[in-house]
Amino acid sequence: GAGVSQSPSNKVTEKGKDVELRCDPISGHTALYWYRQSLGQGLEFLIYFQGNSAPDKSGLPSDRFSAERTGGSVSTLTIQRTQQEDSAVYLCASSLDPPGTSGNTDTQYFGPGTRLTVL
Amino acid sequence: DQQVKQNSPSLSVQEGRISILNCDYTNSMFDYFLWYKKYPAEGPTFLISISSIKDKNEDGRFTVFLNKSAKHLSLHIVPSQPGDSAVYFCAASGSSNYKLTFGKGTLLTVNP
Repeated sequence: GAGVSQSPSNKVTEKGKDVELRCDPISGHTALYWYRQSLGQGLEFLIYFQGNSAPDKSGLPSDRFSAERTGGSVSTLTIQRTQQEDSAVYLCASSLDPPGTSGNTDTQYFGPGTRLTVL
Repeated sequence: DQQVKQNSPSLSVQEGRISILNCDYTNSMFDYFLWYKKYPAEGPTFLISISSIKDKNEDGRFTVFLNKSAKHLSLHIVPSQPGDSAVYFCAASGSSNYKLTFGKGTLLTVNP
């Protein structure tokens, strides 16, 4: 079956512009996560959506970052007034069940990422 | 403050030999540990996990060992194959915290 997909795969933008990154999770997965990986760093948690619950936005680095998940499926990560330090690979992941579920149904499956470059 | 550390940025081994990738953590609340593998231009792929109630988990050529007292885990791959060449990320979470904390990764190169 189809995995997690993300678009665009690459995005180059000028400082100060807004960007939107899209994630299509695996069909039926209730949990969706956004991470980013800056050069030479590990993955950094940004935000978590679970079903219809309020998302956990505690990882968002500033109020320029926002995300939404429409209809419990597709998610969009928006970065307003981009800065050069926003340059990174933005990864989306989904899992069938919430974390802590017994078995491996809470395993996070990652998309290929969107490489964002802010000039 | 890095809570998950992979101190070796790279490792090179010969095909057929054992690869040992190491990971240290500092947060004693972590009780679930995972290894992910990442090829260039792809997202990380789940490889193997271990709960803190165990000290070893094996899946085919991959074995993860957990030493809770030392806050250390390792991934053993044996025998190593050229297709195993990738970046390996160690990740950890607490039972009440779904957020995965990742290390910076180790680039494994398996030479034919």
